[in-house]
Amino acid sequence: EVQLLESGGGLVQPGGSLRLSCAASGFTFSNYAMSWVRQAPGKGLQWVSAISSSGDSTYYAGPVKGRVTISRDNPKDTLYLQMDSLRAEDTALYYCAKDWGSASYFFDSWGQGTLVIVSS
Amino acid sequence: DIQMTQSPSTLSASVGDRVTITCRASQNINSWLAWYQQKPGKAPKLLIYKASNLEFGVPSRFSGSGSGTEFTLTIDSLQPDDFATYYCQQYDNLFGDTFGQGTKLEIK
Repeated sequence: EVQLLESGGGLVQPGGSLRLSCAASGFTFSNYAMSWVRQAPGKGLQWVSAISSSGDSTYYAGPVKGRVTISRDNPKDTLYLQMDSLRAEDTALYYCAKDWGSASYFFDSWGQGTLVIVSS
Repeated sequence: DIQMTQSPSTLSASVGDRVTITCRASQNINSWLAWYQQKPGKAPKLLIYKASNLEFGVPSRFSGSGSGTEFTLTIDSLQPDDFATYYCQQYDNLFGDTFGQGTKLEIK
């Protein structure tokens, strides 16, 4: 069974940093692209960032480009999202999502999310 | 950049009804469209991919159609478990909108 367990969320002041992690199990992590998708309270889904199965290619949504860095450690089956220069509008539940294929960029498994609150 | 527009934003229906949700892309995305269901407090669940392919384990009352810029999700014979929010997602490219804004399906 695929399991994705996010961690690292919390309350941070504007301008601060957080590093989110997603521990994966139940599938061959290194075979799949992975993404982060966020959902602000009471709002819709917003794709944030994606990384290829090898980690060689990364992609970012416009609102976060230059402020976040996605990475992965395939031997550790773990996905990361380094978030810097955080803003109030980054407040959201951040989901880790597994690609349906090696580079399809739609998602067949999701974690339960980790909540990031940016507030002074 | 691609813009994704879902309609309606809210849909009221009864158990047993047939409902259709529409998703429009601002440019041609071929058939690179997925549909998800999300219930309150839960992660989204993949229903349909490549516009019309049913994900394994999803009931056959769900179906998708369309290509290019206009797509539909149809649910035949609504069940109580189907009342949720539905999102479309284009995966033709990662520039612009990826997800539609969502359609909340409520019990009439």
